[in-house]
Amino acid sequence: KAGVTQTPRYLIKTRGQQVTLSCSPISGHRSVSWYQQTPGQGLQFLFEYFSETQRNKGNFPGRFSGRQFSNSRSEMNVSTLELGDSALYLCASSFTHSGSLSGANVLTFGAGSRLTVL
Amino acid sequence: GIQVEQSPPDLILQEGANSTLRCNFSDSVNNLQWFHQNPWGQLINLFYIPSGTKQNGRLSATTVATERYSLLYISSSQTTDSGVYFCAVVIYNQGGKLIFGQGTELSVKP
Repeated sequence: KAGVTQTPRYLIKTRGQQVTLSCSPISGHRSVSWYQQTPGQGLQFLFEYFSETQRNKGNFPGRFSGRQFSNSRSEMNVSTLELGDSALYLCASSFTHSGSLSGANVLTFGAGSRLTVL
Repeated sequence: GIQVEQSPPDLILQEGANSTLRCNFSDSVNNLQWFHQNPWGQLINLFYIPSGTKQNGRLSATTVATERYSLLYISSSQTTDSGVYFCAVVIYNQGGKLIFGQGTELSVKP
């Protein structure tokens, strides 16, 4: 079956612009999480959505937002881009939410969207 | 907060050698995964292993939950094993986010 699909794979923006990234989870997966990876901070959790509801949010400013649609596809948006927002943004999906004890919370990651802010 | 520490930070091996990567975590977890990040940035699942031992080909992993550590073993390493290996956990009863270690960068020389 198809994996987690992220679009676009690469994009270049300038400071002050906004960007929207898309993530299509594995079919049947209802949880989508977003992570930011930078050389200085490593991999950091942004937010998690399950059944269209945000379950958890990381320590990022309000410029970072997301949503999930009824088909489980998710988008994240970054407004008023700053140079420090340059990063690899990774999306992961799982059958259930990551707080589950069921063992069905194994995360599978997409290939990422690499954002460069000039 | 929860800490996830990986060691060593860097490792250089000759092809064919064996290695052990370690992950220490500071709280009880209900999810622990090992990932390999390829040169293009994608995180590839290696193991889901909150406890116990699993093997997949030349790779195996052991998590001792009571002692809060996990080990990833790579045997007969190949150049294609090069990359960064991450351990990540979800803290029990604080569900929602996978907390990553800083990674071990492995370089396998031919």
